[in-house]
Amino acid sequence: GAVVSQHPSWVICKSGTSVKIECRSLDFQATTMFWYRQFPKQSLMLMATSNEGSKATYEQGVEKDKFLINHASLTLSTLTVTSAHPEDSSFYICSASLSGRAGNEQFFGPGTRLTVL
Amino acid sequence: QKEVEQDPGPLSVPEGAIVSLNCTYSNSAFQYFMWYRQYSRKGPELLMYTYSSGNKEDGRFTAQVDKSSKYISLFIRDSQPSDSATYLCAMMDSSYKLIFGSGTRLLVRP
Repeated sequence: GAVVSQHPSWVICKSGTSVKIECRSLDFQATTMFWYRQFPKQSLMLMATSNEGSKATYEQGVEKDKFLINHASLTLSTLTVTSAHPEDSSFYICSASLSGRAGNEQFFGPGTRLTVL
Repeated sequence: QKEVEQDPGPLSVPEGAIVSLNCTYSNSAFQYFMWYRQYSRKGPELLMYTYSSGNKEDGRFTAQVDKSSKYISLFIRDSQPSDSATYLCAMMDSSYKLIFGSGTRLLVRP
């Protein structure tokens, strides 16, 4: 149980285009989903926290107009990178938190590698 | 100063060795302490999860938390080549946001 999927697993796009990444909790309902970014040989950095039906909370330094997050249901959150540029190339990972679990344990998706040309 | 410090390695050990991985932290509000394993180009996988100080054992893995020293450790006994990965410590306060260490790359040589 507690499986999180992401789609696509990798994407290559041209500079200036927008890319949408989906995060799904497959066998549980997630009260909260998180989006992280990981640059090569660096740790995961939290970008935003998303609760179903409400606006996402962005971390300091993350542009909310560039990284659009939609959390339409308890099993799906999407991250759209708008007008992507080469510096947005990174590994984007989502996680989902089980409702009611002590400590709100997070389960991570497999990640999406974005390359912007 | 980073909230969580972790030696990036790489750490190279022979098969069967005991591995010790460590993190230090500065925020005394952290209550939950985790260790994740991440294979290349994959998402992190939760290995151990402890609350407050003490030890927790799960198979070949033992996690230790010393809140007085703000120091956590992960020990891997009888290490295997399949344990080769990056190990990330992570901590959480009452806001439930995870703060990760930079990760330690481990290589277990056959």
